[in-house]
Amino acid sequence: SQTIHQWPATLVQPVGSPLSLECTVEGTSNPNLYWYRQAAGRGLQLLFYSVGIGQISSEVPQNLSASRPQDRQFILSSKKLLLSDSGFYLCAWTPNRGRVTGELFFGEGSRLTVL
Amino acid sequence: AQSVAQPEDQVNVAEGNPLTVKCTYSVSGNPYLFWYVQYPNRGLQFLLKYITGDNLVKGSYGFEAEFNKSQTSFHLKKPSALVSDSALYFCAVRAPTGANNLFFGTGTRLTVIP
Repeated sequence: SQTIHQWPATLVQPVGSPLSLECTVEGTSNPNLYWYRQAAGRGLQLLFYSVGIGQISSEVPQNLSASRPQDRQFILSSKKLLLSDSGFYLCAWTPNRGRVTGELFFGEGSRLTVL
Repeated sequence: AQSVAQPEDQVNVAEGNPLTVKCTYSVSGNPYLFWYVQYPNRGLQFLLKYITGDNLVKGSYGFEAEFNKSQTSFHLKKPSALVSDSALYFCAVRAPTGANNLFFGTGTRLTVIP
């Protein structure tokens, strides 16, 4: 069966420090991968998605970047964090071949607090 | 462009009573519609989806949803609410072709009162 892992689960960082959140998927190959941000426990905003290694699409201009160095690894990064980067970050995946049924499968999330 | 609206920020219901969480959508063409649930500090869990076929869709934990094309709605329902159903519920829509991602509503917090 497929599983998705995110780490770290919680992170407290000072303004101006770098960020790296990691997400890996097991039990599947060539998944579509997504980073969402959830602010104030409510709506989800799609930040990035990837359909393959090295292929990143950005949905909104921001202080963050994403990379996909391996097929099942998706990394969210920042060189210098802002206070507004605080939030709950969720990684998700969906199959990219065969019968695509549409639902996303989410990781447990990473809570980032920027002070 | 596709969008989803959840008109209620908060829904309170007594345990054992039926519950409804509302969702309306806007999308070109036939929609793919989804409901997710989120417990505190957790990721989203998939509940059910509508792609095609029967307008009444049954999902996990006794939940169901009814697709209504004329009203562009996809309300989540459960005949008898449990205290453990208290959580944040998200409706989402995906365009049937091209797009790979989901567009989420702002969420509805369901509280089931013992």
